Amino acid sequence: KQEVTQIPAALSVPEGENLVLNCSFTDSAIYNLQWFRQDPGKGLTSLLLIQSSQREQTSGRLNASLDKSSGRSTLYIAASQPGDSATYLCAVDLFRGTYKYIFGTGTRLKVLA
Amino acid sequence: DGGITQSPKYLFRKEGQNVTLSCEQNLNHDAMYWYRQDPGQGLRLIYYSQIVNDFQKGDIAEGYSVSREKKESFPLTVTSAQKNPTAFYLCASSSREYNIYGYTFGSGTRLTVV
Repeated sequence: KQEVTQIPAALSVPEGENLVLNCSFTDSAIYNLQWFRQDPGKGLTSLLLIQSSQREQTSGRLNASLDKSSGRSTLYIAASQPGDSATYLCAVDLFRGTYKYIFGTGTRLKVLA
Repeated sequence: DGGITQSPKYLFRKEGQNVTLSCEQNLNHDAMYWYRQDPGQGLRLIYYSQIVNDFQKGDIAEGYSVSREKKESFPLTVTSAQKNPTAFYLCASSSREYNIYGYTFGSGTRLTVV
């Protein structure tokens, strides 16, 4: 059974720091992996999606990488800002056709001004 | 603008009542999903539907029911059989090209039992 783990559960950093959030999954036969951001009491906003054939995706200050063989993805945030404070979740999709994501429990990030 | 609309934003249920959460999308997506989010537990799949008039149970379907009569709509009913319904409910949708675009989520409905 696929399990998705995000460590640490919470992280506090000073503004301007570069940081890495981790996502681990137990079954490497994934179809894709998506990173989301969730603000308190809100829905999920898609940040980046990495297909299984890709190694990384970039959007602005965000870079997500995927290493299927080791069951890991990282989300790199450059020059963090207080507005980046949110919970970050990763989700993996099983083999093609299942249409079902499995979510990690998230990393709650606080960027201090 | 295209997106997913969930209503209401807040919902209060009395013991023994059935309540229905609305989810509407204008993205022309084929698949729609309902997730439940509890503190510290992540998102858990309740039901999903890949086409109109068809839906499948997720991991925690007991006490819930859905319908998919229109492509745009996927309402979720929380029945009195659901013993612990207080949670944040999220609706999502995806197209056939979900490997490119992934999931799109609504803004959620917070359900509280009073």
